[in-house]
Amino acid sequence: QKEVEQDPGPLSVPEGAIVSLNCTYSNSAFQYFMWYRQYSRKGPELLMYTYSSGNKEDGRFTAQVDKSSKYISLFIRDSQPSDSATYLCAMKKGDFGNEKLTFGTGTRLTIIP
Amino acid sequence: KAGVTQTPRYLIKTRGQQVTLSCSPISGHRSVSWYQQTPGQGLQFLFEYFSETQRNKGNFPGRFSGRQFSNSRSEMNVSTLELGDSALYLCASRRGSETQYFGPGTRLLVL
Repeated sequence: QKEVEQDPGPLSVPEGAIVSLNCTYSNSAFQYFMWYRQYSRKGPELLMYTYSSGNKEDGRFTAQVDKSSKYISLFIRDSQPSDSATYLCAMKKGDFGNEKLTFGTGTRLTIIP
Repeated sequence: KAGVTQTPRYLIKTRGQQVTLSCSPISGHRSVSWYQQTPGQGLQFLFEYFSETQRNKGNFPGRFSGRQFSNSRSEMNVSTLELGDSALYLCASRRGSETQYFGPGTRLLVL
């Protein structure tokens, strides 16, 4: 079983819809949680970075972390065709100096105009 | 500020050859990590370098190695290439405890 599970999709939604992307994890040592967006033939781009349980909002994006359930989510409001990309969740443990990121497999999202 | 740069962007090699990939981190970033991305396995951690020292290593065979120079630039080397080494190799840099910023990657095809 992988430490981080993410539905690979693909996921297609109409423009303007709210998108919900999710990851679950099994290792309670993960303390820091990230969402990356990756366009085709590009490197991952950091979208959100969170530590504590709860919600963090940045424009149309909201990251949600529930450490008790080992579950993280990314919500995209008013989705745009430019949001079409692969979304990767990533997490790292809290021990000092260990910067290894463990990624989900990514969810491919398409926003239909 | 310039982002992480990686060279070359594309590479074609044959089985048994070796390859060296290069990464220049964001100015001021002293940590460089390498990841392999494949459709089947996703992004997997290879190793991390900080101040010319390897600090962490993933579960890859010894054919995969790396180094970091005094200017924080890093190289990774893969010897005796196998077909399964075909992948996008990503480099990421960070400063201190900040999160990592990725380069565009080097796409390696092994024939």
